[in-house]
Formats: sequence, structure tokens, C-alpha cells
Amino acid sequence: DVKVTQSSRYLVKRTGEKVFLECVQDMDHENMFWYRQDPGLGLRLIYFSYDVKMKEKGDIPEGYSVSREKKERFSLILESASTNQTSMYLCASRLNTGQGTDTQYFGPGTRLTVL
Amino acid sequence: AQSVSQHNHHVILSEAASLELGCNYSYGGTVNLFWYVQYPGQHLQLLLKYFSGDPLVKGIKGFEAEFIKSKFSFNLRKPSVQWSDTAEYFCAVNAATSWGKFQFGAGTQVVVTP
Repeated sequence: DVKVTQSSRYLVKRTGEKVFLECVQDMDHENMFWYRQDPGLGLRLIYFSYDVKMKEKGDIPEGYSVSREKKERFSLILESASTNQTSMYLCASRLNTGQGTDTQYFGPGTRLTVL
Repeated sequence: AQSVSQHNHHVILSEAASLELGCNYSYGGTVNLFWYVQYPGQHLQLLLKYFSGDPLVKGIKGFEAEFIKSKFSFNLRKPSVQWSDTAEYFCAVNAATSWGKFQFGAGTQVVVTP
């Protein structure tokens, strides 16, 4: 079974803090994704990574950055947390057979509250 | 840009009733289509997906979905729901030309009453 783990289930931070969310997958998947999930908006893609050191912006990258130094780990960084970044953050990974049909496997999510 | 629209935000039905959740997308090219489910307290998981071939696809737990290209739709169905089908359901699309970028719908919260 694919396992995607996220470093924290719940996180509370203050406005202006730098926040790191970590995601690790154990199936040697090339692709990894960060989404935020908000009620009534579904999942919105923040960033994704094709492979190590490769990244591409999703639909809502503003205020976020990412790092992928190792294949199994994909980090989401909030450079200066703001209250409108309070949300559930989901990480996903996917094997890449090149046609976009592969299943994404999701982690349990990190519920971030910014005060 | 692609977009995905799910018609209902909340659905309440009784056990044994039939379920149909609508999903429409806006993209004219080749797409891959997915339905994901999130049971209370659990991870998002794949129910089924379509990328080619028979437009009627079957997934886990008795779910099926039909791709109608002319209507840009990929509706999810289950003939007889159970209480354990209570969950949030998400339709998702990625385009063959931009397969890394997934668009998800807003989700439909389904509550099945005993």
C-alpha cells in the first residue's frame, strides 16, 4: 500500500511566522502535489513537482513556496503566514507513467490555523 | 482554463435509495476524469477513473460513472446506497496537455440516513 504521511495533523501558528509543512511518500513516486482544501471550494492546487528539484505552480501559489531535494519528500513553505492561509493542507503523490491517468494517493492532511 | 462544476453541495438520502452526483467540466481537449471520496476522518481515496475506452466505468464499492463527451459530463451513480456511503465526493479532471494540473470540483457532501 502506498503511504503518504504529513508531519503534523494540527498546527497553530501566528501571523508572520514562517511555516514548514512536510510530506513523505514511501512508493518512489515521481510526482508530488500540495493542495489546500476549503469548504465549498474543494481542493485547489498550490504547487506540484514532477521529480526531484522540479516544481511547477498550481492555481494558487501566491504566498507559498516548495522544496523537493529528495524524491520521497515534498515540503510546503509559508514564507510569512497570514490568517487567510488558515486551511486544511493535503499532500499527494503519484507514479508517473506519462499520460496523466495515474491515481493520486493522499496524505491525512494538516489543519493549519494562523492566528 | 479548466473548471469543474459539481451540481449539488449537499445531498441527503435514505438507505437503499439511488444516488447520482453530477459533474461537468469545461475543457475542449482530451481529459482524464476521476471521482475521489473522503469518508469521515479518512484520507481522500480514488473511487474510479476514466481515460479512454468504454465510457461507463465501474469503481469500488458498487459505484459507476458515465462519461458523456458531448455533454462534458462525468456523473457518478450508485443504485442502492448504504449508511457507510456517507462521505464527501469530489470530481477531478486533468487535461492530457497539462496532466500535472488537476482541477477538483467543490465537492458534494452525501449523508445517508438509516
